[in-house]
Amino acid sequence: SQTIHQWPATLVQPVGSPLSLECTVEGTSNPNLYWYRQAAGRGLQLLFYSVGIGQISSEVPQNLSASRPQDRQFILSSKKLLLSDSGFYLCAWSSGQGLGGELFFGEGSRLTVL
Amino acid sequence: AQSVAQPEDQVNVAEGNPLTVKCTYSVSGNPYLFWYVQYPNRGLQFLLKYITGDNLVKGSYGFEAEFNKSQTSFHLKKPSALVSDSALYFCAVSPLNTPLVFGKGTRLSVIA
Repeated sequence: SQTIHQWPATLVQPVGSPLSLECTVEGTSNPNLYWYRQAAGRGLQLLFYSVGIGQISSEVPQNLSASRPQDRQFILSSKKLLLSDSGFYLCAWSSGQGLGGELFFGEGSRLTVL
Repeated sequence: AQSVAQPEDQVNVAEGNPLTVKCTYSVSGNPYLFWYVQYPNRGLQFLLKYITGDNLVKGSYGFEAEFNKSQTSFHLKKPSALVSDSALYFCAVSPLNTPLVFGKGTRLSVIA
């Protein structure tokens, strides 16, 4: 069966520090991968998605970036965090057959920037 | 542009009563529609989806949703609410070959 792992689960970072959130998927190949951010426990904002290794699409211009160094690994990064980067970050995957399919989410990473 | 509206921020219902969480959508072509549930500090869990076929879709935990093309709605329903159903519910629509678009979420509170 397929599983998705996301870490760290919680982190507190000072303004201006770097960020790295990692997500890996097991039990499937060539998945579509996504990073969403949820602010204040409400709506989901799509940040990045990827249909293959090295292929990243950005939905929102900001100081975050994403990379996909391996087929089932998706990394969210920042060189210098802002206060506004605080939030709950969710990684998700879907079957590689198109982008409109059912999403499977990780357990999330809660980031607090102080 | 594709969009999803969940007109209610909060829905309160007594345990044992039926519940409805509303969702309307705007998308070009035939939509794929989804409902997800989120418990505090957790990821989203899939409840059900509509792709094609019967307008009434049955999903996990006794939930169902009715697709209404003329009203562009996909309301989530359950005949008898449980306290454990209290959570944040998201409706999502899938435009053709683009990532899911989510609504803002509706917080369901089931009161014992």
